Amino acid sequence: EAQVTQNPRYLITVTGKKLTVTCSQNMNHEYMSWYRQDPGLGLRQIYYSMNVEVTDKGDVPEGYKVSRKEKRNFPLILESPSPNQTSLYFCASSLKGLAGATYNEQFFGPGTRLTVL
Amino acid sequence: GDSVTQMEGPVTLSEEAFLTINCTYTATGYPSLFWYVQYPGEGLQLLLKATKADDKGSNKGFEATYRKETTSFHLEKGSVQVSDSAVYFCALIMDSNYQLIWGAGTKLIIKP
Repeated sequence: EAQVTQNPRYLITVTGKKLTVTCSQNMNHEYMSWYRQDPGLGLRQIYYSMNVEVTDKGDVPEGYKVSRKEKRNFPLILESPSPNQTSLYFCASSLKGLAGATYNEQFFGPGTRLTVL
Repeated sequence: GDSVTQMEGPVTLSEEAFLTINCTYTATGYPSLFWYVQYPGEGLQLLLKATKADDKGSNKGFEATYRKETTSFHLEKGSVQVSDSAVYFCALIMDSNYQLIWGAGTKLIIKP
């Protein structure tokens, strides 16, 4: 089954304790992205990757890191989490393709609900 | 920059009522427009999309028409069901950029 998986689904942690949220897709997609969802703000992009070893900042990258060593995986790293990073996080992926961004549906993972105390 | 504005919720309707959720956008070029749905406790699913002006996207009884003159992409359904209760997001994407720009989301509650 084609899917994007995220782990963990739920995480409660404390300020300053490094954590990693994993994201994996089995569709051979080039493009992957991380979003955070906050009430009243919709989703905001944190980082994205157009292909292996190619990553770039989105709109809210502060406090986050990513890596793209393999095509299928795109982990999100919080080196020193703070309470303002409490949020619902989504990973997404899509083909890059010659047709352009508008013709390639983005598939989303189930979300990771993070609470930083 | 590019942005999406959608009506605030929650929107509460009775079963079989007519639904409209308003969405307007601001973009420098010609975006494609999307509606995503998030059911309770789940991720985001693409509901429908339209890639150019006057296109109508439709799925599961929902429709939205890309109106360039009013920069709008309102979501409609003729007769809602309890199972339509969810959060609906309007979003746009530019062909040159894979970043989805999202509205704030509208929570829809359907009462039996």
